Amino acid sequence: EDKVVQSPLSLVVHEGDTVTLNCSYEVTNFRSLLWYKQEKKAPTFLFMLTSSGIEKKSGRLSSILDKKELFSILNITATQTGDSAIYLCAVKGNDKIIFGKGTRLHILP
Amino acid sequence: DTEVTQTPKHLVMGMTNKKSLKCEQHMGHRAMYWYKQKAKKPPELMFVYSYEKLSINESVPSRFSPECPNSSLLNLHLHALQPEDSALYLCASSTGTSFHEQFFGPGTRLTVL
Repeated sequence: EDKVVQSPLSLVVHEGDTVTLNCSYEVTNFRSLLWYKQEKKAPTFLFMLTSSGIEKKSGRLSSILDKKELFSILNITATQTGDSAIYLCAVKGNDKIIFGKGTRLHILP
Repeated sequence: DTEVTQTPKHLVMGMTNKKSLKCEQHMGHRAMYWYKQKAKKPPELMFVYSYEKLSINESVPSRFSPECPNSSLLNLHLHALQPEDSALYLCASSTGTSFHEQFFGPGTRLTVL
């Protein structure tokens, strides 16, 4: 059965800390892995990863995919209170996209 | 215009009502999606339209009926819903025909009494 597993489920850190969020998957006919940030309503797209070992970076956020070991990590450096959100990992197969349950990140001021 | 819009923002309906949710995008995207999201859960895919044709129906009950009148519009017709159908309904669109980078609308918060 296809699945996407995120860890940890929740994380509380202080502002300025660096966090690493994990996403492992077993999905038939893998096409891409997607990271989203969800605050109040709809998720906001962060990264799409298709190739192994190539880091995607946007400001303080970066992500990398390991297709051999079937996982991805999302790093956030110098965290800010505005980074508090649920971070969703999703994996695209041929015709479906499967979401993990998310990591709830809370940044303390 | 780089956004997906959804109306209404909030909807309260009874189990015997018929209502519709609307989604619109003017980015030239050819794939559009309906997701259902319950509180504290990730979005669950319901339907995918590709080039205005239904390409994926994730075993959604027939009380939910999607419609794609043109390439910019996507509707979700609701009839005889149950209280457990209360959720946030998200629309998304993407450039490719199958699950490329998806842009989400703000969602419609549906409450079924």
